[in-house]
Amino acid sequence: QSVLTQPPSVSGAPGQRVTISCTGDSSNIGAGNDVHWYQQLPGRAPTLLIYGNTNRPSGVPDRFSGSKSGTSASLAITGLQAEDEAVYYCQSYDISLRGSVFGGGTQLTVL
Amino acid sequence: ELQLVESGGGVVRPGGSLRLSCEASGFNLEDIGMTWVRQAPGKGLEWVSSLNWNGESTVYAASVKGRFTISRDNAKNSVYLQMNSLRVEDTALYYCTRGDCSPTICYMDFWGQGTLVTVSS
Repeated sequence: QSVLTQPPSVSGAPGQRVTISCTGDSSNIGAGNDVHWYQQLPGRAPTLLIYGNTNRPSGVPDRFSGSKSGTSASLAITGLQAEDEAVYYCQSYDISLRGSVFGGGTQLTVL
Repeated sequence: ELQLVESGGGVVRPGGSLRLSCEASGFNLEDIGMTWVRQAPGKGLEWVSSLNWNGESTVYAASVKGRFTISRDNAKNSVYLQMNSLRVEDTALYYCTRGDCSPTICYMDFWGQGTLVTVSS
């Protein structure tokens, strides 16, 4: 069981908007720690998608955006494309565990 | 071009040891924290260990503390993970990543392709 909770799966049609939630508690997200998001394409290593809650690394399309409020965070993907089909992970720091924690991952299916 | 190349994975019996290596190229390791993350077959990501830029601060997941040791050799632009007393549940793809994990900053901005560790009798 992961410290950060994500839905196991979400889906959407090409061109649509989807959101993926990430719920933590007062030891991690609620403690003010930043949330980061990673994309793992099939058979590939994860790549950083969003850092510091809302920032996109160079090369990440602006179709991807992040937000954070209270003990939760969200990843939004607009204008869905087939190439977005992947597993998405959220990650933060946990002050009780004194280390990083990940969500369980969300499989995005583009219908 | 940024690269992190892991090596040292393999098959080992429970109770055995392995030393993973990660060689960086395309950037200078000496000013950057580094982290190991693992992924069991068909499972999600699990943070394993991090060390800061000079190796003086190290942190470990509870599941590996006391058994794994992270270290670095900046002269060789490399990071290592010494894994002792291995258990079946340590079986995973181990990723070397660029990034520290401390209360002030904790994320990984670049990942290697991973090296597979299989613990089996």
